[in-house]
Amino acid sequence: ETGVTQSPTHLIKTRGQQVTLRCSSQSGHNTVSWYQQALGQGPQFIFQYYREEENGRGNFPPRFSGLQFPNYSSELNVNALELDDSALYLCASSIDRSSYNSPLHFGNGTRLTVT
Amino acid sequence: DQQVKQNSPSLSVQEGRISILNCDYTNSMFDYFLWYKKYPAEGPTFLISISSIKDKNEDGRFTVFLNKSAKHLSLHIVPSQPGDSAVYFCAADLMYSGGGADGLTFGKGTHLIIQP
Repeated sequence: ETGVTQSPTHLIKTRGQQVTLRCSSQSGHNTVSWYQQALGQGPQFIFQYYREEENGRGNFPPRFSGLQFPNYSSELNVNALELDDSALYLCASSIDRSSYNSPLHFGNGTRLTVT
Repeated sequence: DQQVKQNSPSLSVQEGRISILNCDYTNSMFDYFLWYKKYPAEGPTFLISISSIKDKNEDGRFTVFLNKSAKHLSLHIVPSQPGDSAVYFCAADLMYSGGGADGLTFGKGTHLIIQP
């Protein structure tokens, strides 16, 4: 059983640029969630995708967008990068939309640095 | 405004003793709570959970206690082992948010250090 894989592991971008982060879900999981973890903070919910549709969104601006593909892999896109977007971005997959039915399985994250 | 608080950034415990990690929450609507463990350069891994209809859940060396009236939960690890050294995150959720996911609300984490 392969776990959640994220790419790239590290990325450096300049303010104002755009970035795409990728995630492959764990086999059999149809739900993917993205979290942002700033230094010294806990992960913060960005959004969740279920069967290719956005199923909920945290307090993030529209320049954070996502996609989920038929094979349940996912992308997180961030436009007009700001310095505060520097963080660890975590992708998590699950069997179901509710954490009660299935805990989140996290990838190792992508460390994004915006200069 | 932090809805889930872990007030101890770090905790040092001797190997073999009990580790107690604490977590407080402010939103009384939360009804499901989870603990995640995170090693450096890895993503968080699920450890144990508890729903608000229970006050205790046990899994091997790990026990989570929930005090709803105090809006407080704790994770007990007995006995503590060197491999338990990690950052522990407390998270809260709404089981039935009614239309769309709200995601987990995490605390800032507690770095547990098990000393030999």
